[in-house]
Amino acid sequence: GAVVSQHPSWVICKSGTSVKIECRSLDFQATTMFWYRQFPKQSLMLMATSNEGSKATYEQGVEKDKFLINHASLTLSTLTVTSAHPEDSSFYICSASKYRRETEAFFGQGTRLTVV
Amino acid sequence: AQSVAQPEDQVNVAEGNPLTVKCTYSVSGNPYLFWYVQYPNRGLQFLLKYITGDNLVKGSYGFEAEFNKSQTSFHLKKPSALVSDSALYFCAVSSGNTGKLIFGQGTTLQVKP
Repeated sequence: GAVVSQHPSWVICKSGTSVKIECRSLDFQATTMFWYRQFPKQSLMLMATSNEGSKATYEQGVEKDKFLINHASLTLSTLTVTSAHPEDSSFYICSASKYRRETEAFFGQGTRLTVV
Repeated sequence: AQSVAQPEDQVNVAEGNPLTVKCTYSVSGNPYLFWYVQYPNRGLQFLLKYITGDNLVKGSYGFEAEFNKSQTSFHLKKPSALVSDSALYFCAVSSGNTGKLIFGQGTTLQVKP
């Protein structure tokens, strides 16, 4: 299957600072990438759909000014958590697919964010 | 609206016994269904999918799933469970044309020696 690389795997930051998470599709071009948030032992909550060359589409209730998404190329999407607070601590996962609904999505390994 | 339900939070099975993890769905139109597995602090790994064709789909690591249109179900199965199968399993349905996935709440599979 295709490979999606997410970096960093874990990060600890201070309240008020910003953190950038990268998601790369290593062996295919991903017109669309997705960002999810997962709380312990819970399902994945879709935060936003990242579209190459255009603005991200955010799900209801997700603050677009807090969770900045940039999809600058067909292989890279970034999620920046701005002015982080302890309640932003979570597991963030990205995925990419080949833009067809019948195609399986490939997931990054996730980023554990801890805000202290 | 499309949705997926996994009615069991946890499934316990003894090693060597068959396992079933249940999933039901609600979609308009043809369903595109997926199963993923997640190990602790890791991303999701694709197991199998149903798009069309045979109702019995075979996937990775010996897993299979049966699509049942009349019962709107897509249960995950394995004839003989391994301790290493212990993980969190997600059923998902594809929404729209972008590949966005709608996930069930997940089922923790615990296989005991």
